[in-house]
Amino acid sequence: QVQLQESGPRLVKPSQTLSLTCTVSGGSIHSVDHYWSWVRQHPGKGLEWIGYIYFSGATYYNPSLKSRATMLVDTFKNQFSLWLSSVTAADTAVYYCARDVYSYFYFDYWGQGIPVTVSS
Amino acid sequence: EIVLTQSPGTLSLSPGETATLSCRVSESVSSTYLAWYQQIPGQAPRLLIYGASSRATGIPDRFSGSGSGTDFTLTISRLEPEDFAVYYCQQFGSSPRYTFGQGTKLEI
Repeated sequence: QVQLQESGPRLVKPSQTLSLTCTVSGGSIHSVDHYWSWVRQHPGKGLEWIGYIYFSGATYYNPSLKSRATMLVDTFKNQFSLWLSSVTAADTAVYYCARDVYSYFYFDYWGQGIPVTVSS
Repeated sequence: EIVLTQSPGTLSLSPGETATLSCRVSESVSSTYLAWYQQIPGQAPRLLIYGASSRATGIPDRFSGSGSGTDFTLTISRLEPEDFAVYYCQQFGSSPRYTFGQGTKLEI
C-alpha cells in the first residue's frame, strides 16, 4: 500500500519561502508510470494543483503561481519537495502531496495534508 | 484555461436516495482525463472514478460515472451515511494541466 506523508514548517512569515517534503513509502518514486504532484486547498475552498515532478526531475508548474514554485526529487530518499517563494497570506492553505497516474492523469494516492499558515 | 463547473453547489438528500452530480467543462475534453473525488471534512480527497466511468480500487458499485465531451455525471445510488461529503471533478488538459471543479456538497 503506497503511503505519502507531508512534512515541513506549519508557520511561514510573509515574503519568505515555504518548504515542504513528501516522503513516499510502500512504492518507489522511481516509477515510469507516475508523476508526483502538490495540490493545495485554501481554507474552506476547492483544490488547486501546484505542479508535478517526474523521477527524472522533469517538472511542470501551474502558471498561476508565476514562477514562485520549485520542485525537486530525491530518488534515494524516496522523497520529493516543494519550495514556494515570496509567500503571502494568500498562500495559507492545506498542502497535499499526491501520486499521479501517467496516461490517465488522476491522483490515486494522497498524503494526509499539512496546514501551512503565512503570518508574521 | 478550461473551467469545470459543478452543479448543484449543495445537494440535500436522505440515506437510501440517489444523488446525481454534474460537472460541465468549458470545452470538450477526452473522457480518459476526467476523474471524481470524495472529500470528507478534515481528510484528503479520495479517488472514486477515473476515465469518466472506471471505479477506483475498493469503491463500491453504488458509485458510477458517465458522460463525454463537456458533460459528465457522478451518480451515487442507495446513499449511505458515509457518502455525505464534498465531491470534486478533475480534468487533465492544456495549461494549467490539472483543474478541479469548485465542488458539490452532499448533505443530509
